[in-house]
Amino acid sequence: ILNVEQSPQSLHVQEGDSTNFTCSFPSSNFYALHWYRWETAKSPEALFVMTLNGDEKKKGRISATLNTKEGYSYLYIKGSQPEDSATYLCAFDGSGNTGKLIFGQGTTLQVKP
Amino acid sequence: DSGVTQTPKHLITATGQRVTLRCSPRSGDLSVYWYQQSLDQGLQFLIQYYNGEERAKGNILERFSAQQFPDLHSELNLSSLELGDSALYFCASSSRAGGDTDTQYFGPGTRLTVL
Repeated sequence: ILNVEQSPQSLHVQEGDSTNFTCSFPSSNFYALHWYRWETAKSPEALFVMTLNGDEKKKGRISATLNTKEGYSYLYIKGSQPEDSATYLCAFDGSGNTGKLIFGQGTTLQVKP
Repeated sequence: DSGVTQTPKHLITATGQRVTLRCSPRSGDLSVYWYQQSLDQGLQFLIQYYNGEERAKGNILERFSAQQFPDLHSELNLSSLELGDSALYFCASSSRAGGDTDTQYFGPGTRLTVL
């Protein structure tokens, strides 16, 4: 059974704080690691697809890094805003030629104004 | 708006019944994926279709089946429903069969409640 673990489960920060969370995944048979942002009452929205060890991706104030050898990825949010409040999901692709993603349970971020 | 549509948005039914959930992928996407989000679980992959053919299967119950039609829309059929089948069912689509940079775009989901 492949496990994808995310920590922390939830996080409460003040507006302006920078924060980061972790996704741990199997280090064998790695093909890709996906990050999604999921707001309440909406559908998951793709943030990044990461494939190479050492990869770094950035989208506005959100960035992510990838370490495939040790099996982890970090998501960073710089200067959190209330609109960043959401659940952040990572998903591991170990299949290579299908789209079978194994999702973590997510980290729920609450940014207080 | 991801471009993926799902109907219905909500569905309330009784145990033992059968329901059909429908998904239309983004224009041009050939792959459709079905996921289940139960109360105490993360998103669980159920099944993938690519251009009409089953491509990958997850822990999908035998009471559940899916298909993808020539116009690429997909249906997920759930039968002999049990209380535990109550969940949010998402459909996602992508342009290819899968692969390391193939982003999946999620629809708004169908919330199924089994009473």
